[in-house]
Amino acid sequence: DAGVTQSPTHLIKTRGQQVTLRCSPKSGHDTVSWYQQALGQGPQFIFQYYEEEERQRGNFPDRFSGHQFPNYSSELNVNALLLGDSALYLCASSIWGDRNYGYTFGSGTRLTVV
Amino acid sequence: SQQGEEDPQALSIQEGENATMNCSYKTSINNLQWYRQNSGRGLVHLILIRSNEREKHSGRLRVTLDTSKKSSSLLITASRAADTASYFCATDVWRGSTLGRLYFGRGTQLTVWP
Repeated sequence: DAGVTQSPTHLIKTRGQQVTLRCSPKSGHDTVSWYQQALGQGPQFIFQYYEEEERQRGNFPDRFSGHQFPNYSSELNVNALLLGDSALYLCASSIWGDRNYGYTFGSGTRLTVV
Repeated sequence: SQQGEEDPQALSIQEGENATMNCSYKTSINNLQWYRQNSGRGLVHLILIRSNEREKHSGRLRVTLDTSKKSSSLLITASRAADTASYFCATDVWRGSTLGRLYFGRGTQLTVWP
């Protein structure tokens, strides 16, 4: 049973560019959440997708957008990259509405903006 | 902020000793979860304790929750060098019946010396 798969593992981009990160949720999970973890910090919630719609969003600018596909996989897009966007981006999958089940996280994508 | 905050920020012990990490939070929660992260990689779910539970065990892990004090503790008994990692508490806060998300603290860096 595959866990959460994220790609790519590492990415280097230049300021102003755009980036797309991908996530495949754990089998049986239908909800995908994205988190940003800056160096030395805890993960910060970006947004959450269920049934191909953004259901809730954290305090991130519109440069951060996402998408969920019918097979529950998801993409995170970041436009007009800033140096401060350098971070580990984590994808977490879960079951919509299940209050007593932990989230399964992927290994993350390390984004470096130069 | 609804973040959990871990204490101490760093903990250094010898193999065989017990490690205790504390977490405080500010708002009502559905459950509280502890995660481990090795070298800035993905988060590994360790244990979940529901808001109506006071103590939970899993192998060498013991978690307590005091909702009146809005605090939790994670005890790792008989620590091993392989336990060296960052440990995060995350509060699972829900809006309504379906919108749940995690709030993380900055974590405790545990180093276990052989």
